[in-house]
Amino acid sequence: AQSVTQLDSHVSVSEGTPVLLRCNYSSSYSPSLFWYVQHPNKGLQLLLKYTSAATLVKGINGFEAEFKKSETSFHLTKPSAHMSDAAEYFCVVRPSGTYKYIFGTGTRLKVLA
Amino acid sequence: GAVVSQHPSRVICKSGTSVKIECRSLDFQATTMFWYRQFPKQSLMLMATSNEGSKATYEQGVEKDKFLINHASLTLSTLTVTSAHPEDSSFYICSARSRGLWDNEQFFGPGTRLTVL
Repeated sequence: AQSVTQLDSHVSVSEGTPVLLRCNYSSSYSPSLFWYVQHPNKGLQLLLKYTSAATLVKGINGFEAEFKKSETSFHLTKPSAHMSDAAEYFCVVRPSGTYKYIFGTGTRLKVLA
Repeated sequence: GAVVSQHPSRVICKSGTSVKIECRSLDFQATTMFWYRQFPKQSLMLMATSNEGSKATYEQGVEKDKFLINHASLTLSTLTVTSAHPEDSSFYICSARSRGLWDNEQFFGPGTRLTVL
């Protein structure tokens, strides 16, 4: 069965330091992959998506992610964290041939001043 | 483009009453809409998928008589929580896709916070 694993439920970084949020997936051939951010009591905002084009995907607010098929990973990174980045982040996979999304369990990012 | 709205954003009701939540695609025709439920500090759980003009498909464990879904038009789907109880309190999020457009990406609404007293 297809699944998404977000390896860390909580990540804390200091403002100005790099962010790494890890995501591994198991899926059939050529999935689509997404990262969403959710601020408290808000809906989901799409950060970036991979849909079989370039493996390094650039998103909004300085975030990027690299699709590594050999490692079945799609980790989210940002060179320098801002206080406004504090939120919940969800990695999502959409297996090839379907339109259903499978959500990871989420990673709560805390940014320390 | 690709904006999805939900109404209301927040609702408080008494136990035993029914609550209707609307999900609208504002600038595209949504051939499929999805309803998710999110408990505090948890991930989104897909409740059901609805295609315009046909009955919704519910995920395992979701009571279809409890959560009534209607997708009457290409821009509107409604979720009615019938005889609500405190355990139905949750954050409900809808999403919509348009077949063949935007690589079948789902666009999410802002969510509805339901509190049942």
